[in-house]
Amino acid sequence: AQRVTQPEKLLSVFKGAPVELKCNYSYSGSPELFWYVQYSRQRLQLLLRHISRESIKGFTADLNKGETSFHLKKPFAQEEDSAMYYCAFPTNAGGTSYGKLTFGQGTILTVHP
Amino acid sequence: DAGVIQSPRHEVTEMGQEVTLRCKPISGHNSLFWYRQTMMRGLELLIYFNNNVPIDDSGMPEDRFSAKMPNASFSTLKIQPSEPRDSAVYFCASLRTTRFNEQFFGPGTRLTVL
Repeated sequence: AQRVTQPEKLLSVFKGAPVELKCNYSYSGSPELFWYVQYSRQRLQLLLRHISRESIKGFTADLNKGETSFHLKKPFAQEEDSAMYYCAFPTNAGGTSYGKLTFGQGTILTVHP
Repeated sequence: DAGVIQSPRHEVTEMGQEVTLRCKPISGHNSLFWYRQTMMRGLELLIYFNNNVPIDDSGMPEDRFSAKMPNASFSTLKIQPSEPRDSAVYFCASLRTTRFNEQFFGPGTRLTVL
């Protein structure tokens, strides 16, 4: 079954430390992966997608097909990075894409001062 | 565009009461999704529509839950009767299906069932 796994429910780091949020996927074919972020009491919003190979707010994510991973990384965490992070990928219904996403369980990142 | 609009933002009700959550998707978007978020279960997809037609409602937990999309600019999620375990944040999201799908989320409705 197609699945995305975020093994850490909670992750704590200190300001200025590197941070890596893990995401592993089980998917046949070439996946299109996303990271969504939810700041405290705000709506979920797209952080970045692997296909655009961009860096947003200092975060990057590299697709590693060998390890089936799409970990989110930032070299120097900031307090404002504290949020819930979700990894996700599209799931088709009967071969048709309606834009459905399968989300991981989420990781709560806390950056301490 | 104001983005996806949800109402009410907060709802407190008593067990057994009917609850109706509302969503207005972004104009021009043709897919709409309802999610439930809890600490225990994370983000769960309840049901989604494409061009106002329900595509998959397998995530709806029980018959007490129902959803409608009478037109392209409005959807409702109804819980009748509500129970304390339904307490959660309910999100609505919409998108226009293209090659690079991005779901846009509403602010959510925080439901508390006493």
